[in-house]
Amino acid sequence: DAGVIQSPRHEVTEMGQEVTLRCKPISGHNSLFWYRQTMMRGLELLIYFNNNVPIDDSGMPEDRFSAKMPNASFSTLKIQPSEPRDSAVYFCASSQSFSDSPLHFGNGTRLTVT
Amino acid sequence: DAKTTQPTSMDCAEGRAANLPCNHSTISGNEYVYWYRQIHSQGPQYIIHGLKNNETNEMASLIITEDRKSSTLILPHATLRDTAVYYCIVRPLYMDSNYQLIWGAGTKLIIKP
Repeated sequence: DAGVIQSPRHEVTEMGQEVTLRCKPISGHNSLFWYRQTMMRGLELLIYFNNNVPIDDSGMPEDRFSAKMPNASFSTLKIQPSEPRDSAVYFCASSQSFSDSPLHFGNGTRLTVT
Repeated sequence: DAKTTQPTSMDCAEGRAANLPCNHSTISGNEYVYWYRQIHSQGPQYIIHGLKNNETNEMASLIITEDRKSSTLILPHATLRDTAVYYCIVRPLYMDSNYQLIWGAGTKLIIKP
C-alpha cells in the first residue's frame, strides 16, 4: 500500500496567487481529513469528508479556503487568494469508519506564501 | 483544550527503553487512548491504542493504569530513528470519531547515542 499521497511536497507562491493542494487517500478508506500545522497553533483540523461528502468544515479559516472530494480517490484543498499567513504545512489523512480505525497521514505539503 | 497532559520533552539513551507518560484524568469510559508520533518533516504516524487493557505491537507497548487516568508508552529499545514528537490523544469510542481528535503539543523525545 502506497499510503496517503500528497502533492506537491513544497509550494512557493506569491501573495494573491491561487494554490491547489492534492491528496490521494488510501484505497478503501472512506474518511478524509485536511489538517494545517504551524509552530504557533500546532495541528488543526480544517475539514473532514465522509464518503466524499464534507461533514465538518468548521475549521476552514475563511472563504479563501475551499476543499472538494469529487471521488473516493482524490481530494483538493484550494486557497484563493493566498496570503503570507497561510504559510504552513498542510496534511491530508484518511481512515476507515470503524470505531477504532486510526488516521493515516501523508507527508504533507509545505506552503510558503511570499 | 487538550484532554491530555504530556511532558514537553524527554531524553533517552540509544538502546534503552523510552517511557513516555501521559495524563488523561478526565477520560470517560467510552474513550480510547491513542498514540501517534511525528518524525521531522513527515506526517504523524499511528503507533498504538488501547481502551483499558495493556497493549503491545511491533512498535511499542501501552500501559494504562487501572483507573485509566494515565498511561505510558514504552519503546523497548530506542534507536536514533525514534527521535520524534509523540502525541497522546483520547478518542471517543464510536464510528468516524477521528474528526474529534485534539492534538496537543506532544512530547519531543530525543534519543541520544
